[in-house]
Amino acid sequence: EIVLTQSPGTLSLSPGERATLSCRASQSVSSSSLSWYQQKSGQGPRLLIYGASTRATGIPDRFSGSGSGTDFTLTISRLEPEDFAVYYCQQYVPSFFTFGGGTKVEIK
Amino acid sequence: EVQLVQSGAEVKKPGESLRISCKASGYRFTTYWISWVRQMPGKGLEWMGKIDPSDSYTRYSPSFQGHVTMSADKSISTAYLQWSSLRASDTAMYYCARLGVYYADSGSFYYYMDVWGKGTTVTVSS
Repeated sequence: EIVLTQSPGTLSLSPGERATLSCRASQSVSSSSLSWYQQKSGQGPRLLIYGASTRATGIPDRFSGSGSGTDFTLTISRLEPEDFAVYYCQQYVPSFFTFGGGTKVEIK
Repeated sequence: EVQLVQSGAEVKKPGESLRISCKASGYRFTTYWISWVRQMPGKGLEWMGKIDPSDSYTRYSPSFQGHVTMSADKSISTAYLQWSSLRASDTAMYYCARLGVYYADSGSFYYYMDVWGKGTTVTVSS
């Protein structure tokens, strides 16, 4: 079973700053299998990125994904007030999904 | 508009049965798998399993195999998650999600969750 470890657990930043979120897999995975989701307080998750770097429909270009092998990154270039939320990475292997534990991006 | 509309909050006692629903609209229901995801209070997301609405073929996470049952009724574009005997530890928010498909250059394909329902809160308490 592949384990996804997200770091940091909490990121305290101010609006306008750059956020860099990490997702590390316990073994090498295809970048095509890696997705990122945003969950705001009291809401369901929303797809941000799939295939490690492809933005989902309607996602602003301040969100970008990168990485390969075991290390993946979600970058928010300039934080907007609505970006403060919890972010999850997810990996898919045939027939099974795994989520990381999440990174909370909070207002400093 | 593509959307998944989930049934309302439920309050049950341990040992009771329950079925919650997820109604799809805005797309062809049988074209996309549906997954269920659990979120326990204050915790992260856990994948429970998936169902192919075209033939009701299912795959479950080992963590949930044998405790829940997924089904689908394609005549009404609705997927279901059910329990025959609830436990207090089933208290959680449950989300359904549609599985989109990404085709890699290698020819392989990968799933991701492109549309989510708003969730159904299940509370199990004596």
